[in-house]
Formats: sequence, structure tokens, C-alpha cells
Amino acid sequence: AQSVSQHNHHVILSEAASLELGCNYSYGGTVNLFWYVQYPGQHLQLLLKYFSGDPLVKGIKGFEAEFIKSKFSFNLRKPSVQWSDTAEYFCAVNKNDMRFGAGTRLTVKP
Amino acid sequence: GAVVSQHPSRVICKSGTSVKIECRSLDFQATTMFWYRQFPKQSLMLMATSNEGSKATYEQGVEKDKFLINHASLTLSTLTVTSAHPEDSSFYICSARIGGAGPYNEQFFGPGTRLTVL
Repeated sequence: AQSVSQHNHHVILSEAASLELGCNYSYGGTVNLFWYVQYPGQHLQLLLKYFSGDPLVKGIKGFEAEFIKSKFSFNLRKPSVQWSDTAEYFCAVNKNDMRFGAGTRLTVKP
Repeated sequence: GAVVSQHPSRVICKSGTSVKIECRSLDFQATTMFWYRQFPKQSLMLMATSNEGSKATYEQGVEKDKFLINHASLTLSTLTVTSAHPEDSSFYICSARIGGAGPYNEQFFGPGTRLTVL
């Protein structure tokens, strides 16, 4: 079945630590990939997206993601997290409509 | 960028009443609109897809008679939760797309409507 998998349910880091959140998908063919962030009590915000071209995508707030087609992966990274990055992060895949992963809760300790 | 609005942002209603949520694409015409539901601490789950002037297509497990969707124009879709019950309390998020199905037509998301049923 087609799915979007985020393996990390809850990640806890200290400030300045590096972050990598995993995302794998099981769709065949051409897809577009997204990462969204949702701060507590707020709506979705688009962090970055991949449509085509350079598989290393840079987004807002210092986030980046790498599309590895052979691994069906689109992992999110940030070299040095801040307390303000505490939020829920969702990976999403668009083939005919947008489907979301279960989300990863990131807690950054000051 | 493409902007999608929702109204109201929050609504509290009594059990058994109906609630209507509006979704508007402000600066573009949306061929297709989508409704998602997000329960606390969970992901967004697609409820239904609607094309302007057509009946909505509901995902498996979503009751079409309970969640009435109307997509009367290219800029407006409404979701009516009929005979709401406390278990319908959730965050409802709409999304709009320019163009037809396919990976290159991006969906734009509204800010969501928090429904609380007492």
C-alpha cells in the first residue's frame, strides 16, 4: 500500500545539536515531496519542497532535505537546532493528492 | 504565493447541532479542494476531495452524510459537520489546488478550524 513513513515519533535534542528526521515513502513513479512544521497550537507552515532538479533542497529557518530516489527517502536535516525549533514536523508526498506521515515531535531543550 | 483562508478559525457548538466551515482560495481559482482532519497529537488525514461542481469523493471510513461538502465555485468549498458529537472535535484543515491531479500541481493549505463539540 502507498504510505508515508516517519520513523521517529519523538526526538529530544539539546540546543546546538544536529537534527535528522527520517521520511520514507512507498509511492511509485513521480512524486513531489514536502516537509511542514506545526508549532504548538498553530497551523502548518511549509519548510521546503522538492519537485525536481538538485536533490538537496534548502528551506526556511536553516532546514534542508535530501531526496534519495533509490531509497525512497526525503530526510530533513538541520545542523544546529534551537529551542524555537520545538514543534511537530510532517513529511508529505504529493502524487495525485497530498498524504502526510504520522509526524515527528521535536523537543529542543535549552 | 497562493493563499487559502478558512472561517471560522474556532467554533464551539453543542452536541447535535450542525457546523459549517468555509474554505476560500483568495488569489487563485482552485479546481480541486481537499478537507483534512487532524486529531490532537496526530497527523493530517485526508477526508475528502472535491472538484468544483461535482460531488465530493470521500476517503474510506469517512461518513459522507455526516460531513457534507459543497464546492459551488472555484474559490469556495464548505464542510458541514451535521449532528456534531464530541468525537467530531478536531482540527479541520482545507487545501486547494490549481490544476488537476498530479505531482506537479501543489496544494496550498488553509490555517485550519478548531471544532469543539460540547
